[in-house]
Amino acid sequence: QQQVKQSPQSLIVQKGGISIINCAYENTAFDYFPWYQQFPGKGPALLIAIRPDVSEKKEGRFTISFNKSAKQFSLHIMDSQPGDSATYFCAASRDSGGGADGLTFGKGTHLIIQP
Amino acid sequence: DTEVTQTPKHLVMGMTNKKSLKCEQHMGHRAMYWYKQKAKKPPELMFVYSYEKLSINESVPSRFSPECPNSSLLNLHLHALQPEDSALYLCASSRSGQGVNEKLFFGSGTQLSVL
Repeated sequence: QQQVKQSPQSLIVQKGGISIINCAYENTAFDYFPWYQQFPGKGPALLIAIRPDVSEKKEGRFTISFNKSAKQFSLHIMDSQPGDSATYFCAASRDSGGGADGLTFGKGTHLIIQP
Repeated sequence: DTEVTQTPKHLVMGMTNKKSLKCEQHMGHRAMYWYKQKAKKPPELMFVYSYEKLSINESVPSRFSPECPNSSLLNLHLHALQPEDSALYLCASSRSGQGVNEKLFFGSGTQLSVL
Protein backbone atom coordinates (compact mmCIF):
# COMPACT_ATOMS: atom_id res chain seq x y z
CA GLN A 1 0.00 0.00 0.00
CA GLN A 2 1.52 3.25 -1.14
CA GLN A 3 0.88 5.78 1.58
CA VAL A 4 2.12 8.86 -0.30
CA LYS A 5 1.16 9.29 -3.96
CA GLN A 6 3.18 11.76 -6.01
CA SER A 7 2.56 13.20 -9.47
CA PRO A 8 3.67 13.81 -12.11
CA GLN A 9 6.42 11.23 -12.57
CA SER A 10 8.34 13.64 -14.80
CA LEU A 11 7.99 17.32 -15.60
CA ILE A 12 9.56 19.67 -18.11
CA VAL A 13 9.31 23.41 -17.47
CA GLN A 14 10.77 26.36 -19.31
CA LYS A 15 13.24 28.57 -17.49
CA GLY A 16 11.39 31.22 -15.52
CA GLY A 17 8.20 29.19 -15.34
CA ILE A 18 6.42 27.67 -12.34
CA SER A 19 7.02 24.01 -11.51
CA ILE A 20 4.21 22.29 -9.60
CA ILE A 21 4.45 18.84 -8.02
CA ASN A 22 1.54 17.27 -6.16
CA CYS A 23 1.29 14.69 -3.39
CA ALA A 24 -1.58 12.98 -1.61
CA TYR A 25 -1.46 10.92 1.54
CA GLU A 26 -3.75 8.39 3.17
CA ASN A 27 -2.59 8.08 6.76
CA THR A 28 -4.24 10.81 8.85
CA ALA A 29 -1.63 10.22 11.56
CA PHE A 30 1.01 11.88 9.39
CA ASP A 31 1.91 15.26 10.83
CA TYR A 32 5.11 16.32 9.06
CA PHE A 33 5.47 16.78 5.33
CA PRO A 34 8.94 17.52 3.92
CA TRP A 35 10.14 17.84 0.37
CA TYR A 36 13.54 16.48 -0.58
CA GLN A 37 15.67 17.37 -3.60
CA GLN A 38 18.10 14.82 -5.01
CA PHE A 39 20.77 15.40 -7.63
CA PRO A 40 22.37 12.44 -9.48
CA GLY A 41 25.01 10.71 -7.36
CA LYS A 42 23.95 12.52 -4.19
CA GLY A 43 21.72 11.76 -1.26
CA PRO A 44 18.42 13.60 -0.82
CA ALA A 45 18.58 17.00 0.83
CA LEU A 46 15.74 18.68 2.71
CA LEU A 47 14.27 21.55 0.70
CA ILE A 48 11.28 22.71 2.74
CA ALA A 49 8.82 21.16 5.17
CA ILE A 50 5.37 21.91 6.58
CA ARG A 51 3.17 20.80 9.47
CA PRO A 52 -0.62 20.49 9.11
CA ASP A 53 -1.37 23.47 11.34
CA VAL A 54 -0.48 25.86 8.49
CA SER A 55 -1.80 25.96 4.92
CA GLU A 56 1.24 27.46 3.23
CA LYS A 57 4.95 27.90 3.79
CA LYS A 58 7.31 29.87 1.61
CA GLU A 59 11.10 29.85 1.52
CA GLY A 60 12.58 31.89 -1.29
CA ARG A 61 11.32 30.53 -4.61
CA PHE A 62 9.89 27.37 -2.99
CA THR A 63 6.35 27.20 -1.57
CA ILE A 64 4.45 24.31 -0.01
CA SER A 65 0.66 24.46 -0.12
CA PHE A 66 -1.17 22.14 2.27
CA ASN A 67 -4.84 21.06 2.22
CA LYS A 68 -5.57 19.02 5.32
CA SER A 69 -9.18 18.17 4.46
CA ALA A 70 -8.19 16.85 1.03
CA LYS A 71 -5.04 15.21 2.42
CA GLN A 72 -2.98 16.83 -0.31
CA PHE A 73 0.11 19.00 -0.45
CA SER A 74 2.10 20.48 -3.28
CA LEU A 75 5.45 22.08 -4.05
CA HIS A 76 5.61 25.20 -6.21
CA ILE A 77 8.94 26.36 -7.60
CA MET A 78 8.67 29.93 -8.85
CA ASP A 79 11.01 31.34 -11.53
CA SER A 80 12.37 27.83 -12.17
CA GLN A 81 16.06 27.69 -13.09
CA PRO A 82 18.17 25.03 -14.87
CA GLY A 83 19.93 24.42 -11.53
CA ASP A 84 16.59 23.24 -10.13
CA SER A 85 16.71 20.22 -12.46
CA ALA A 86 16.68 17.26 -10.07
CA THR A 87 14.43 14.57 -8.64
CA TYR A 88 11.99 15.79 -6.01
CA PHE A 89 10.46 13.55 -3.38
CA CYS A 90 7.57 14.44 -1.14
CA ALA A 91 7.48 12.58 2.14
CA ALA A 92 5.48 12.20 5.30
CA SER A 93 6.09 11.02 8.82
CA ARG A 94 4.28 10.86 12.12
CA ASP A 95 5.19 11.46 15.70
CA SER A 96 5.39 7.89 16.96
CA GLY A 97 5.68 9.12 20.50
CA GLY A 98 8.90 7.42 21.38
CA GLY A 99 11.05 6.59 18.44
CA ALA A 100 12.17 7.60 14.98
CA ASP A 101 9.94 6.23 12.23
CA GLY A 102 11.89 7.59 9.34
CA LEU A 103 10.04 8.92 6.35
CA THR A 104 7.51 7.52 3.88
CA PHE A 105 8.50 8.84 0.47
CA GLY A 106 6.48 9.45 -2.67
CA LYS A 107 7.79 7.87 -5.87
CA GLY A 108 9.55 11.02 -7.00
CA THR A 109 9.29 13.57 -9.81
CA HIS A 110 12.10 14.02 -12.30
CA LEU A 111 12.11 17.76 -13.04
CA ILE A 112 13.90 19.23 -16.06
CA ILE A 113 14.14 23.00 -16.49
CA GLN A 114 14.86 23.89 -20.10
CA PRO A 115 16.99 27.00 -20.71
CA ASP B 1 30.12 20.21 10.22
CA THR B 2 26.73 19.22 8.77
CA GLU B 3 27.97 16.24 6.83
CA VAL B 4 27.15 12.59 6.87
CA THR B 5 30.11 10.73 5.40
CA GLN B 6 29.72 7.33 3.80
CA THR B 7 32.47 4.97 2.67
CA PRO B 8 33.12 3.47 0.26
CA LYS B 9 31.40 5.47 -2.48
CA HIS B 10 31.30 2.46 -4.78
CA LEU B 11 31.47 -1.27 -3.98
CA VAL B 12 31.41 -4.33 -6.21
CA MET B 13 31.09 -7.68 -4.48
CA GLY B 14 30.40 -11.29 -5.30
CA MET B 15 27.56 -13.23 -3.75
CA THR B 16 29.93 -15.08 -1.39
CA ASN B 17 31.78 -12.00 -0.16
CA LYS B 18 31.50 -10.26 3.19
CA LYS B 19 31.79 -6.50 3.17
CA SER B 20 30.81 -3.55 5.33
CA LEU B 21 29.45 -0.08 4.61
CA LYS B 22 30.42 2.70 6.97
CA CYS B 23 28.71 5.92 7.95
CA GLU B 24 29.94 8.71 10.20
CA GLN B 25 28.50 11.98 11.48
CA HIS B 26 29.85 14.54 13.93
CA MET B 27 26.74 16.66 14.41
CA GLY B 28 25.92 15.10 17.78
CA HIS B 29 22.88 13.38 16.29
CA ARG B 30 21.50 10.44 18.24
CA ALA B 31 19.35 8.84 15.53
CA MET B 32 20.88 7.15 12.50
CA TYR B 33 19.21 5.41 9.59
CA TRP B 34 19.94 3.07 6.70
CA TYR B 35 17.91 3.47 3.51
CA LYS B 36 18.09 1.47 0.27
CA GLN B 37 17.40 3.25 -3.03
CA LYS B 38 16.99 1.52 -6.38
CA ALA B 39 17.45 3.52 -9.57
CA LYS B 40 14.62 5.99 -10.22
CA LYS B 41 12.85 4.90 -7.02
CA PRO B 42 12.43 6.58 -3.64
CA PRO B 43 14.56 5.61 -0.66
CA GLU B 44 13.19 2.70 1.40
CA LEU B 45 13.80 2.57 5.13
CA MET B 46 15.81 -0.43 6.33
CA PHE B 47 16.94 0.26 9.90
CA VAL B 48 16.74 2.98 12.52
CA TYR B 49 19.03 3.37 15.51
CA SER B 50 17.98 5.72 18.29
CA TYR B 51 20.51 6.35 21.06
CA GLU B 52 22.62 3.48 19.74
CA LYS B 53 19.77 0.99 20.05
CA LEU B 54 18.03 -0.61 17.09
CA SER B 55 14.51 0.77 17.16
CA ILE B 56 13.22 -0.20 13.72
CA ASN B 57 14.01 -3.12 11.42
CA GLU B 58 11.77 -3.00 8.38
CA SER B 59 11.74 -6.77 7.81
CA VAL B 60 15.14 -6.65 6.18
CA PRO B 61 16.74 -10.03 5.26
CA SER B 62 19.38 -11.27 7.69
CA ARG B 63 22.08 -10.98 5.04
CA PHE B 64 22.04 -7.28 6.04
CA SER B 65 23.31 -6.74 9.59
CA PRO B 66 23.45 -3.23 11.07
CA GLU B 67 25.74 -2.14 13.86
CA CYS B 68 25.99 1.11 15.80
CA PRO B 69 29.31 1.06 17.72
CA ASN B 70 28.81 4.58 19.10
CA SER B 71 26.71 7.67 18.55
CA SER B 72 28.83 8.85 15.61
CA LEU B 73 29.20 5.63 13.65
CA LEU B 74 26.86 3.30 11.83
CA ASN B 75 27.87 0.19 9.92
CA LEU B 76 25.99 -2.14 7.61
CA HIS B 77 27.54 -5.59 7.32
CA LEU B 78 26.79 -7.47 4.12
CA HIS B 79 27.01 -11.22 3.61
CA ALA B 80 25.78 -13.59 0.89
CA LEU B 81 24.00 -10.84 -1.02
CA GLN B 82 21.94 -11.40 -4.14
CA PRO B 83 22.17 -9.47 -7.42
CA GLU B 84 18.80 -7.84 -6.63
CA ASP B 85 20.45 -6.21 -3.61
CA SER B 86 22.38 -3.94 -5.97
CA ALA B 87 21.32 -0.39 -5.10
CA LEU B 88 22.40 2.91 -3.59
CA TYR B 89 22.63 2.54 0.20
CA LEU B 90 22.02 5.79 2.01
CA CYS B 91 22.85 6.65 5.59
CA ALA B 92 21.04 9.48 7.35
CA SER B 93 21.02 11.05 10.78
CA SER B 94 18.73 13.29 12.81
CA ARG B 95 19.02 15.09 16.10
CA SER B 96 17.29 12.72 18.51
CA GLY B 97 14.78 10.53 16.72
CA GLN B 98 12.57 10.80 19.79
CA GLY B 99 9.28 10.99 17.95
CA VAL B 100 9.86 14.60 16.99
CA ASN B 101 9.73 15.16 13.25
CA GLU B 102 13.25 16.19 12.54
CA LYS B 103 15.34 17.09 9.55
CA LEU B 104 17.16 14.09 8.17
CA PHE B 105 20.68 14.67 6.90
CA PHE B 106 21.60 12.19 4.19
CA GLY B 107 25.03 11.06 3.06
CA SER B 108 25.87 10.68 -0.62
CA GLY B 109 25.47 6.93 -0.42
CA THR B 110 27.38 3.79 -1.37
CA GLN B 111 26.59 2.47 -4.84
CA LEU B 112 26.63 -1.31 -4.41
CA SER B 113 26.81 -3.80 -7.25
CA VAL B 114 26.43 -7.51 -6.50
CA LEU B 115 27.73 -9.83 -9.20
